[in-house]
Amino acid sequence: NAGVTQTPKFRVLKTGQSMTLLCAQDMNHEYMYWYRQDPGMGLRLIHYSVGEGTTAKGEVPDGYNVSRLKKQNFLLGLESAAPSQTSVYFCASSYHRDRGLANYGYTFGSGTRLTVV
Amino acid sequence: KNEVEQSPQNLTAQEGEFITINCSYSVGISALHWLQQHPGGGIVSLFMLSSGKKKHGRLIATINIQEKHSSLHITASHPRDSAVYICAVTPPQGAQKLVFGQGTRLTINP
Repeated sequence: NAGVTQTPKFRVLKTGQSMTLLCAQDMNHEYMYWYRQDPGMGLRLIHYSVGEGTTAKGEVPDGYNVSRLKKQNFLLGLESAAPSQTSVYFCASSYHRDRGLANYGYTFGSGTRLTVV
Repeated sequence: KNEVEQSPQNLTAQEGEFITINCSYSVGISALHWLQQHPGGGIVSLFMLSSGKKKHGRLIATINIQEKHSSLHITASHPRDSAVYICAVTPPQGAQKLVFGQGTRLTINP
């Protein structure tokens, strides 16, 4: 099925450990995003990308790095995990170039629940 | 004041009732999105609107660009409709980053 796939779905890290969250989309979307969702804070944008090889900071980028070496993949890295990064992480994609303005619809992944102890 | 405001924040209704969730925004937009999130679940995009009205099954979404207001309606509500419904907008230019409302928690009792 077409869509956005996130791996892993669950992870527990110790403070100071590193990890990479993988997001893959097969819809040929140009734009990809990483959001985090926390109780009482809603969804907040961490980083985003408007095309292969490009990345940009969102609202809460500190402590995270991203890469988009291939159009279909968007990686989110935590170099040294902190308890404040305990959250649910959602990847999303949007905008199919060949469909013009009519297709800025969003597709979200199923989320990664990360706990840092 | 948030750029996207939803009301109500919480809504409890009986099965079969007609449900309306409202969203008002104060910024220019290229589109408005309605999202659904079940407890502990992922986020599903229900509608993307730039004008008028869209219908999918028992769900109807409308937008009034002049009044900067959108509504999500659910007809013949069912317990499986219980979820958080999130209104979000994308700006006219740029990377289509979503600006979110705070969400409406809907509970439908049998």
